[in-house]
Amino acid sequence: ETGVTQTPRHLVMGMTNKKSLKCEQHLGHNAMYWYKQSAKKPLELMFVYSLEERVENNSVPSRFSPECPNSSHLFLHLHTLQPEDSALYLCASSPRTDNTEAFFGQGTRLTVV
Amino acid sequence: AQRVTQPEKLLSVFKGAPVELKCNYSYSGSPELFWYVQYSRQRLQLLLRHISRESIKGFTADLNKGETSFHLKKPFAQEEDSAMYYCALRNTDKLIFGTGTRLQVFP
Repeated sequence: ETGVTQTPRHLVMGMTNKKSLKCEQHLGHNAMYWYKQSAKKPLELMFVYSLEERVENNSVPSRFSPECPNSSHLFLHLHTLQPEDSALYLCASSPRTDNTEAFFGQGTRLTVV
Repeated sequence: AQRVTQPEKLLSVFKGAPVELKCNYSYSGSPELFWYVQYSRQRLQLLLRHISRESIKGFTADLNKGETSFHLKKPFAQEEDSAMYYCALRNTDKLIFGTGTRLQVFP
C-alpha cells in the first residue's frame, strides 16, 4: 500500500502490558508525526520527527515512547498505560516539518482496559 | 494562545442546500489555515488551504482576518460530502486542529 500505513488497526491492552504501534510511509517524506485523537477533543500533536531526529515533544507522559529508526518508519512504544489513554492514534508524514500538508494514516484504535 | 474553534459538532442539511462549516481562530501573526476532511472509513486528508484560494469539490473557504474566521462553504451540498471536517492552523512546524464538525447530507 502506498501512502502512510499504520499497524495494528485495533489494539486492546491491559494497563500492565507493553505494546508498540507502527507507522510506515512510502512517500519519501522527511518528517513524521504522532497525533492523538480523543472523543470531544481536538487532534493533539504528540511527537514530531524530522530526518529521524525528534524535534518536538508536546509534554507527553513518559509511558509513551517514540522511536524513529529511519525516515520511513515511526514507532510508538506503549507501557503501563491508563484507561484515559484510550484513543485513536494517528501517524502522519510531510515532506518537511515546515510543510504542513500532512498525509495521515488510518490510525490505530487503542483501548486500554 | 493559538487556538482553532469549530463551534458546531454536527451540521445536518438536505441535498442541494447550502453549507457553511464555521471555523474561528486565534493567532498572533499571519495565519495559515487549512481544511481537512475525513470520509467514512477513510483517512484524514487535506481538502484545501487558504493560500491556494482554490475550490475543491465545490468547497471554498475565505480567510477573514477581521473576524478571525475561515469558514468552509459550498452552495449545493451532495450526499457524498457527508464526512468529518477539521479546520487547522499552522503554528511554525505543526498543525493545530479544531474539534471537527460532522456534516450529514440527507437525500
